[in-house]
Order: sequence, then structure tokens, then C-alpha cells
Amino acid sequence: DGGITQSPKYLFRKEGQNVTLSCEQNLNHDAMYWYRQDPGQGLRLIYYSQIVNDFQKGDIAEGYSVSREKKESFPLTVTSAQKNPTAFYLCASSLAGGTLIQETQYFGPGTRLLVL
Amino acid sequence: AQSVTQLDSQVPVFEEAPVELRCNYSSSVSVYLFWYVQYPNQGLQLLLKYLSGSTLVKGINGFEAEFNKSQTSFHLRKPSVHISDTAEYFCAVSHMDSSYKLIFGSGTRLLVRP
Repeated sequence: DGGITQSPKYLFRKEGQNVTLSCEQNLNHDAMYWYRQDPGQGLRLIYYSQIVNDFQKGDIAEGYSVSREKKESFPLTVTSAQKNPTAFYLCASSLAGGTLIQETQYFGPGTRLLVL
Repeated sequence: AQSVTQLDSQVPVFEEAPVELRCNYSSSVSVYLFWYVQYPNQGLQLLLKYLSGSTLVKGINGFEAEFNKSQTSFHLRKPSVHISDTAEYFCAVSHMDSSYKLIFGSGTRLLVRP
């Protein structure tokens, strides 16, 4: 079955620690995205990548970093510089990153990050 | 700047009753419009989308939405809801010239009661 997988489902971070959230897709999509979701709020874009080896900052990139070395993988690192990391993190992908007409973004099941 | 407003944070409704979830957007350029559903502790699933053409859009699970350009609205409707429709619903918009970027509303929790 094609889809997007995120791991782990729950992640605990200690103060001053960097943690990495995994996102893998087997849909052969070029574009991938990371969103943050806080209670009572919509999703906010952290980073996006329209092609391998290229990525751009979204609206709330501070305290986060990404890499895109493979088409199917787009890991997100929450660094110690992110002072309020507790949230639900969602990864998404789309066929061509909106370069043509709007493609649907497909979402993974999410990772909930909690600070100890 | 674009923005999306979902005025109702929660909508309680009895099973088999009709429901409308409201969405208004602000944009100075043409947009694409979307409704997504999120079940507890899960990712988002696309219900329907408006790109162009007919202003009445039909989606999955019996939902439909109507694009009203003059009122800048894209309200979601279902004539008869089920318990299983209980979930969070998000309206989202993107510009035609930067269509990779989705702007989300704050969400509406639909609570269907027996």
C-alpha cells in the first residue's frame, strides 16, 4: 500500500536535547512538507521541499532543521533552540509541489512530541 | 495576506441531522480551497477541494461544499450526519501563484450525539 509513515508515534524530549522525527513516503511524490499543530489552532508550515537536495523555510522554521537527501525521506530535527516544542507534528507530500496546478497534499499519521 | 476563518470552534449536532461548518477566507487573488478531516490522533484526510469550474463540490463520506466568491466563503455541508463523522474539520486555502502553501483555519470540532 502506498502512503506516508511517521515515526515514532510519541517522542519525549529532555531539555537541551535535539530529537529527529522520521517521515517516509512511497508515493513517488516530489514535494514533502512538515507542519506543526497546536491545540485549538490550525496547521502551520515549518519547512517544505519541492525536490531532492532542496528545501525552504515555512512560517515557523526557527528551532527546526531538515534534510532531503532521498526523494522518499524528509526528516525533521527539533533542536534545543526550539523553546516550546510540545506539539503534534504532521508530515505531508504532494506530487509536484504545486509547480503546476494545485496537487493534493497527503498527510501522515503524525508524531506527538512531549517535553520531559 | 491570506487568512482563513472558521468561526465555530465546536458544532454539536444530533445523529441524522443536517450540518453546516462555516469557512471564510480573505485573499486578493484567486485561490484553491480545501476541506480536510482529522480523526483523533491521526493525520488529515482530504474531504474535497475546489480548483475551478462548478462552485458546488462533492466529496467523500457524503460531504459537499459550495464556493461563493462574492461572500468569500466555502461552507461544508452534510444532509444527515453519523456518529462516525465526529472529528475535527479544517478549511484551507492556497494561492494559485504559490499553490504549494496551504493556509489552514483553526478547525471546527463536529460532535455528533446519538
